[in-house]
Amino acid sequence: DAGVTQSPTHLIKTRGQQVTLRCSPKSGHDTVSWYQQALGQGPQFIFQYYEEEERQRGNFPDRFSGHQFPNYSSELNVNALLLGDSALYLCASSFLDTQGETQYFGPGTRLLVL
Amino acid sequence: QKEVEQDPGPLSVPEGAIVSLNCTYSNSAFQYFMWYRQYSRKGPELLMYTYSSGNKEDGRFTAQVDKSSKYISLFIRDSQPSDSATYLCAMSAAGGTSYGKLTFGQGTILTVHP
Repeated sequence: DAGVTQSPTHLIKTRGQQVTLRCSPKSGHDTVSWYQQALGQGPQFIFQYYEEEERQRGNFPDRFSGHQFPNYSSELNVNALLLGDSALYLCASSFLDTQGETQYFGPGTRLLVL
Repeated sequence: QKEVEQDPGPLSVPEGAIVSLNCTYSNSAFQYFMWYRQYSRKGPELLMYTYSSGNKEDGRFTAQVDKSSKYISLFIRDSQPSDSATYLCAMSAAGGTSYGKLTFGQGTILTVHP
């Protein structure tokens, strides 16, 4: 059973550009969450998608947007990149059951903005 | 003040030692408590998942939650060099608009030396 997969693994962009990151959830999972992890910090919640809708959103500007497809995979888009957007971007998948909602993380995409 | 506080360490212990990792939090709505392990340049890996107060044991790992004190702990017995990683505590609320959003601590860097 494949876990959460993300692509690409690394990316270098320049300020002002736009980037799209991709995530495929674990088999059987229908919910995808995105997090930003700056160096030396814990992950920060960006947003969560369920049934192709944004269900929750953290304190991130509108430059950060996303999408979920019918097969539950997801994309994270960031427009007008800033130097401060350099970070590890993590995707987590989950499903809700009687135990709650356990999130499993992918390996991340490391974004460097120059 | 951050919702979740975690001592970043670093923590260095000899092989075989008992390790104690801790987090405090301020949001009384948190009901789900998790510990993740993150190796360098990898995504977080779920170690322990606990609902509400109490203890949970899994092999060499024991998670404790004290909701009255807003304090959670992870104990690692017989620590091994392979346990060297960053340990992240994470929490989420049950229901409401915050459901599904994980709030992380900063992470504690642990090194177990032979």
